Amino acid sequence: SAVISQKPSRDICQRGTSLTIQCQVDSQVTMMFWYRQQPGQSLTLIATANQGSEATYESGFVIDKFPISRPNLTFSTLTVSNMSPEDSSIYLCSVRDRGGGEKLFFGSGTQLSVL
Amino acid sequence: LAKTTQPISMDSYEGQEVNITCSHNNIATNDYITWYQQFPSQGPRFIIQGYKTKVTNEVASLFIPADRKSSTLSLPRVSLSDTAVYYCLVLNYGGSQGNLIFGKGTKLSVKP
Repeated sequence: SAVISQKPSRDICQRGTSLTIQCQVDSQVTMMFWYRQQPGQSLTLIATANQGSEATYESGFVIDKFPISRPNLTFSTLTVSNMSPEDSSIYLCSVRDRGGGEKLFFGSGTQLSVL
Repeated sequence: LAKTTQPISMDSYEGQEVNITCSHNNIATNDYITWYQQFPSQGPRFIIQGYKTKVTNEVASLFIPADRKSSTLSLPRVSLSDTAVYYCLVLNYGGSQGNLIFGKGTKLSVKP
């Protein structure tokens, strides 16, 4: 199974600033995903980040607000731009692993609080 | 994309067996059924996956009837540390999507 490291684990930020979240995987993976989980809610997909192509954003999420980089097969970043208190959530990196079936593996998440 | 429906919450006591059922009426031929566990402030953790019949690992069992329109996660002899949210997910084999529809999950509370 893939091991995913996410940094930072938590942060408290001021309104109007930006935060970049890093996701490092211990193996090469084609598909990486970024999710948001608002307090007490389920997970919502923000975007799919495949190496060598532009990220694909889900409805309600735009590149200007959540720019994503995917420079290689083991690393990705998600930036939360011009933050507001409504962006306070847990942000999760995930990869899809097809070894022995179909599984998603998740990082431990970044807990973001915007004041 | 197959939508899943689970009970919002369940209560249990230590040492009991807990069965959480998920319905996925529009599951497709190439879909796998997968269960995840999530503790507060952590990412979901893979528990078990199956396609049909019964699958067992060191943590849980997964029962899938012949029509595959539902599945039941069975946790034997739960402990306080099993208190978590459990998500049922349907994953399409060979698909490229991450937008697997996470339902609301089942919040399991284990009491002493």
